[in-house]
Amino acid sequence: EDKVVQSPLSLVVHEGDTVTLNCSYEVTNFRSLLWYKQEKKAPTFLFMLTSSGIEKKSGRLSSILDKKELFSILNITATQTGDSAVYLCAVYSGNTGKLIFGQGTTLQVKP
Amino acid sequence: GAVVSQHPSWVICKSGTSVKIECRSLDFQATTMFWYRQFPKQSLMLMATSNEGSKATYEQGVEKDKFLINHASLTLSTLTVTSAHPEDSSFYICSARAAATSNQPQHFGDGTRLSIL
Repeated sequence: EDKVVQSPLSLVVHEGDTVTLNCSYEVTNFRSLLWYKQEKKAPTFLFMLTSSGIEKKSGRLSSILDKKELFSILNITATQTGDSAVYLCAVYSGNTGKLIFGQGTTLQVKP
Repeated sequence: GAVVSQHPSWVICKSGTSVKIECRSLDFQATTMFWYRQFPKQSLMLMATSNEGSKATYEQGVEKDKFLINHASLTLSTLTVTSAHPEDSSFYICSARAAATSNQPQHFGDGTRLSIL
C-alpha cells in the first residue's frame, strides 16, 4: 500500500533556529513529491521535486529529493514566527494520478 | 498565477439541508479538480477526482449520491452535500491541476468550513 510518512509530527523552535522536516515514501510508480504549507486555511504550494539531488530554493526555504533512499527534506533557515504552520508532504502516484499526503509536521516558532 | 477560489468559506445550516460548494480556477484551465475532506489535526483525505466533462471518480467509502460532484467547465467544479447531517461537518477543500497528467502541482482553494446543526 502506498504511504507517505513525515517526521517529526510536531516541532517547537525559537526564532532564528534552523529546522529540517523529513518525508519518506513508499509509492508505486513515483512521479513527483510536493511540499505544502498549511496555516488556518487550505495548503499553499511550496515546492515540486521530480529529480534526485537537485535542490529547490525559495528564500529561507529549500528542499531536496533522494529517489534512491525514497525521502525528501524541507529546510527552513532563520525561522520566523510566520513560519508556524503545518507542513505537508505529498507524493504523486503515476498509477492513480492522485496525491498521497503524509500526516503533516506541525511547526511552532516561538519569539 | 495558479489561483483557486472556493466559495463559500463558511456554512452553518440545519440538518437535512443540501449545501453547494463552488471551486473555480481563476487564471488557468483545470482539466482535473479534486475534492478533499480534512478533520481537525488530520491530513487531507481525498474524496473524489473529477475531470472536465466526465463523471467524477469517488474514493472507496465515499457515497457518490451524498456528495454530488459536477465539473461542467474547465474553470468550475461544484460539490453538493445532499441532505447534510452533523457527521458531515468538516473542512472541505478543492484543488485544481492544469494538466491531466501529474507533472503539474495541485493548487488548493481556501477551503469551506461546513457546520451542520
